[in-house]
Amino acid sequence: QVTLKESGPGILQPSQTLSLTCSFSGFSLSTSNMGVGWIRQPSGKGLEWLLHILWNDSKYYNPALKSRLTISKDTYNNQVFLKIANVDTADTATYYCARIAWDFWYFDVWGAGTTVTVSS
Amino acid sequence: DIVLTQSPASLAVSLGQRATISCRASESVDSYGNSFMHWYQQKPGQPPKLLIYRASNLESGIPARFSGSGSRTDFTLTINPVEADDVATYYCQQSNEDPFTFGSGTKLEIK
Repeated sequence: QVTLKESGPGILQPSQTLSLTCSFSGFSLSTSNMGVGWIRQPSGKGLEWLLHILWNDSKYYNPALKSRLTISKDTYNNQVFLKIANVDTADTATYYCARIAWDFWYFDVWGAGTTVTVSS
Repeated sequence: DIVLTQSPASLAVSLGQRATISCRASESVDSYGNSFMHWYQQKPGQPPKLLIYRASNLESGIPARFSGSGSRTDFTLTINPVEADDVATYYCQQSNEDPFTFGSGTKLEIK
């Protein structure tokens, strides 16, 4: 069974760096054709793809946010890490990690999400 | 960026009837004979759930009441017959071009 779970700080102040962790099981990023992505959703609004990382360490970014995003993985411990630099209130959202199908780039299993609030 | 326009924004359907949701892309999302269009269901307080991938392929475990069709710029998600458990917001997503984009969602209610 494939599961993913996000964890994060809950609340942080403007200009800080947001650090999120996605811990997953049921698949491995050491296996070809596997990947994990991040998507966010402000409360009551739609979905925004942020970026994803593949088994071969290829990384794909939303150009609108690329300068602020960093993604990395710990293959041994089945974790993916997302950092967003210089956050502001517009980054307040629920952040989801999801497994991505590498060939057609859809998200087939999602975590429950973690809520992040940026407030002074 | 490819803009996905979903319609209607909301719809109310009687139990047992058909629901049809449209997703129109600002440019073609087809490549190499495949449509890079996918559909998700999101219930309140839950993450999205994959329903349909590559326009018309039913994800494992999804009831056959759900179906997808379309190509290039025009896609449709159909639920027939609608059940009470289908109350949710439905999103389309394209992955033919970076950045991947989602439609704004269609909220399905029971009449």
